[in-house]
Amino acid sequence: QVQLVESGGGVVQPGRSLRLSCGASGFTFSNYGMHWVRQAPGKGLEWVAVIWSDGSNKYYVDSVKGRFTISRDSSKNTLYLQMNSLRAEDTAVYYCARARGQWLVGHLDYWGQGTLVTVSS
Amino acid sequence: QSVLTQPPSVSGAPGQRVTISCTGSSSNIGAGYDVHWYQQLPGTAPKLLIYGNSNRPSGVPDRFSGSKSDTSASLAITGLQAEDEADYYCQSYDSSLSGYVFGTGTKVTVL
Repeated sequence: QVQLVESGGGVVQPGRSLRLSCGASGFTFSNYGMHWVRQAPGKGLEWVAVIWSDGSNKYYVDSVKGRFTISRDSSKNTLYLQMNSLRAEDTAVYYCARARGQWLVGHLDYWGQGTLVTVSS
Repeated sequence: QSVLTQPPSVSGAPGQRVTISCTGSSSNIGAGYDVHWYQQLPGTAPKLLIYGNSNRPSGVPDRFSGSKSDTSASLAITGLQAEDEADYYCQSYDSSLSGYVFGTGTKVTVL
């Protein structure tokens, strides 16, 4: 069965960096695009970034462009999110999710359990 | 601030039918991009409920159905059950933002 397990969350000071990981199992990781989605405490879902199956394309929400980098290591079946220059408004549970369908009409069919990132001094 | 607007809450008695609207614009739903729906039970990760406007993944009860028209989409739940109490989100692509967008979310309460 498809399993996605995020790790790397924690408390970090504003301006510092953090790297999240998402370990994938139960499917051929290299065949699928992957997303990061976040949810601030008590708020709705916000799409953060996507990386295509071969890593050739990456897209980001405007609020994280230039600060966050999505990447993947298919030899390790792992997705990453490098988060730099963190701000208080980045505080959220971060979910990784598997992409399905073509980019413009696609959806997210499996989600991890999430990892909490708290940006606070 | 999301570009897909949903009602903050809807409620119904067990067995009733409720609908959740997702209103977009010409740069997302109105442009023809598919709408998908997710269910988030309290304290858990979102789960795919409807994809491609009206398709149910394996294991999703046929009590859940989706539709799309012009610049909006709807999720209907018939035969409402206590286990349906959750937050529901629509999702699509937005060409102005060049990325995915989620709706504002709707909390369903079973009376």
